[in-house]
Parts: sequence; C-alpha cells; structure tokens
Amino acid sequence: QSVLTQPPSESGTPGQRVTIPCSGSTSNVGGFYVYWFQQVPGKAPKLLIQTNNQRPSGVPHRFSASKSGTSASLAISGLQSEDEADYYCAAWDDSLRGVVFGGGTRLTVL
Amino acid sequence: EVRLVESGGGLAQPGRSLRLACKASGINLGDYSLSWVRQAPGKGLEWVGFLRSNAYGGTTEYAASVKGRFTISRDDSNGIAYLQMNSLKIADTAVYFCSRNLASYGAWFDVWGQGTLVTVSS
Repeated sequence: QSVLTQPPSESGTPGQRVTIPCSGSTSNVGGFYVYWFQQVPGKAPKLLIQTNNQRPSGVPHRFSASKSGTSASLAISGLQSEDEADYYCAAWDDSLRGVVFGGGTRLTVL
Repeated sequence: EVRLVESGGGLAQPGRSLRLACKASGINLGDYSLSWVRQAPGKGLEWVGFLRSNAYGGTTEYAASVKGRFTISRDDSNGIAYLQMNSLKIADTAVYFCSRNLASYGAWFDVWGQGTLVTVSS
C-alpha cells in the first residue's frame, strides 16, 4: 500500500488527452513539491515534472501537471504511442521523514 | 554530462551483506544529495534513503524498511557513493538505482543510473 495513491492503469488513444491523479495528505503532497517520473519497463525512471508543474529541459510541452491541496495530477495531451510507460508521483513526507512514491500508473496507448 | 553508474549487485544469501557503489562523473558528488531507490520485480519504485550534500551536513535519512540495516556513505575524492546493505532479507530483492537529488527535503531526482540487480535467496 503506497502512501501516495494512483490508479494502477489508464489508457487512451493517439491524440487524446489523459490525466493521472495522485492523492496524498498534508504531510506530503499538501505541504511539499510533487515530482513526476516516467519509466519505460526495463529502463531507469526519468524526471518528467519537477516542483509541482515545471518541465525539465527536453520534456515535451504536452506534458503538464498541477497540484491543489493534497492532490496532484499529470496531464498528457496529444497522446503518442511512445508515451506508453509507467508514471509515478513522488513527494517528501514530513511525518515519515522520507520520500514517498505513488504506486505507479501504467499508461496504455490503444 | 552528468552520469551515474551503479555496480556491486548480485546474489546474496539472507542475513548476509552486500555493498553497492554509484560512480559519478561530470559532477562533484559532495555538492549534491544522493538517493538510492529500489524496484522489486514487477513492483513500483521505493525510496531507500539519501545522503545530503556537504552543505547540508552530509546527514542521512532512511526508509523504515531498511533503517538500521542499510547505510549510505560517500567517497568525495573518488566520486563514489555506497549503499552498504547488511542483514539482507528476501524482500530486499530489487533493482537498485542511485539518483542525484537536487532537493535536500524532496524527490527532485534529476539524474539516474541504469540500476543494479540484487537478488537475496538461499
């Protein structure tokens, strides 16, 4: 059972917009920056979104994120087949004194 | 270019020890916090612990699942960070990634190594 809650799977068709939610509490998402990672199976994770909603250099503009209260979400617009991967949210948790991850959401492009 | 390369993974028996290394290039390791994150087969990411930068006193934090058994250290002169794993359990079987952490209290993992597989089995 992960501290941050994500749906195990989401799907969409090419060109569609999909969102992946991440739910936490005041000790993590509600009080600290949220980060998003993309992981293609068998590969290392890649930083997708930093400090709630900022894209690192090289990340396409169709990836965006937001945070409100104890919830955050990742949005992918203009879905492409290469977006098929696992997506994780993460944040510092001040009660646990450590980083917590969501359980991950497997995105399938139909 | 910043690069992290893990090594030291392999097969270990329950109760035994293993030390992983994370060799950094392109950065002065002591200037950054460094985290270890693991992923059990078919499972999600789990933060293991991190070592803060020298500017933040080089303090450490560990996940409850490894606290007291795992230790993170750093050899600044050689640009290598270590994860010493003692009293290994079958549940420690995972791919272990090291990652540069740009936040001393956060999940700003901007550079990742390729990972090294640790298998704990009798």
